[in-house]
Amino acid sequence: AQKVTQAQTEISVVEKEDVTLDCVYETRDTTYYLFWYKQPPSGELVFLIRRNSFDEQNEISGRYSWNFQKSTSSFNFTITASQVVDSAVYFCALSERETNAGKSTFGDGTTLTVKP
Amino acid sequence: DGGITQSPKYLFRKEGQNVTLSCEQNLNHDAMYWYRQDPGQGLRLIYYSQIVNDFQKGDIAEGYSVSREKKESFPLTVTSAQKNPTAFYLCASSTTSSPYNEQFFGPGTRLTVL
Repeated sequence: AQKVTQAQTEISVVEKEDVTLDCVYETRDTTYYLFWYKQPPSGELVFLIRRNSFDEQNEISGRYSWNFQKSTSSFNFTITASQVVDSAVYFCALSERETNAGKSTFGDGTTLTVKP
Repeated sequence: DGGITQSPKYLFRKEGQNVTLSCEQNLNHDAMYWYRQDPGQGLRLIYYSQIVNDFQKGDIAEGYSVSREKKESFPLTVTSAQKNPTAFYLCASSTTSSPYNEQFFGPGTRLTVL
């Protein structure tokens, strides 16, 4: 069965600090997809990134970067020079090819608070 | 603008009443999903639909029902059989039901049972 663990329940940083959100996953499938979503206070989740199991290349998008390591089953998310607008709940999610209907398993989320 | 709308934003229900949450999308997506979110917890799948006129139970379907008569609409009914319905409900859609596709979410409905 697929499982996603986000061990950090809450993180608080001061603006301009770097912060890393951890995500560890479990799956028996060889083909799977990992996602990160952001849930701002408004409540609507926003898709940030997708990674497939065959692509371990790290990705950078502006202040955001993602580190995918199959050896440790981790897909961590780093925000560089954090800003107050980054305050949100961040979810890591996993979908397996063998699972019907693209059902995603979500972690419990990490609440990030960036203080000015 | 394309997107997903959910209504109402806040909903109050008396115990023993059924209530229906609306979800509409104009993205022309085949797949739609309903999730429940409780404080400090992730999203748990209630029902999903891969295509119109078809739907399947998710992980916590007991006490809920859905229909998918139109591609753009996927309403969720919370029945009196749901023992603890107070929660935040999120509707989502994706292009197809492929696990590759990201999901697009609506703004959610916060249901409170009085």
